[in-house]
Amino acid sequence: KAGVTQTPRYLIKTRGQQVTLSCSPISGHRSVSWYQQTPGQGLQFLFEYFSETQRNKGNFPGRFSGRQFSNSRSEMNVSTLELGDSALYLCASSLGPSAEAFFGQGTRLTVV
Amino acid sequence: GEDVEQSLFLSVREGDSSVINCTYTDSSSTYLYWYKQEPGAGLQLLTYIFSNMDMKQDQRLTVLLNKKDKHLSLRIADTQTGDSAIYFCAERGDNQGGKLIFGQGTELSVKP
Repeated sequence: KAGVTQTPRYLIKTRGQQVTLSCSPISGHRSVSWYQQTPGQGLQFLFEYFSETQRNKGNFPGRFSGRQFSNSRSEMNVSTLELGDSALYLCASSLGPSAEAFFGQGTRLTVV
Repeated sequence: GEDVEQSLFLSVREGDSSVINCTYTDSSSTYLYWYKQEPGAGLQLLTYIFSNMDMKQDQRLTVLLNKKDKHLSLRIADTQTGDSAIYFCAERGDNQGGKLIFGQGTELSVKP
């Protein structure tokens, strides 16, 4: 059974640009969550989707947004990139919101 | 508010037992998790414990939960050099859906 797949693995963007990251959950999983990992702030929750609905949102500015499609795949978007957005973005999938979460390898975003 | 604390570093000799500790503040935590992260990789779910349990054993891993003191520990028996990684404790509160609150991570170094 394939794990959580995140694309791309690495990305370099310029300040002011926007970026879209993709996450394909484990087959059969309907819940997808996103986290930002930085050396300074550690792992911080961004948002959670279940059945195409955002169920929970972390404390991030409106530049960070996401969505989930009918096949449970999810995307997150960051607009007007700032240097501080450089991070490892991790996606986790689970059968449902209360089930254990399995993480992908992450997308390493570098903003220059 | 929600907070999870871990010590940052632990160094052990190969063959010894490792004990990684974690404290949390959310008394409504329902599940507590241990994840492992190797360099350049995502998070690997190691084990979890439900809040009404005191102990869970899974091969070389033993999780102990003291709910009164809000203290969680992960014991790795017969630690190997391949166990060198960062270990994260995470908690999920009641009514939080899939949102996980992570500790800062404990870097385990295993010396031969």
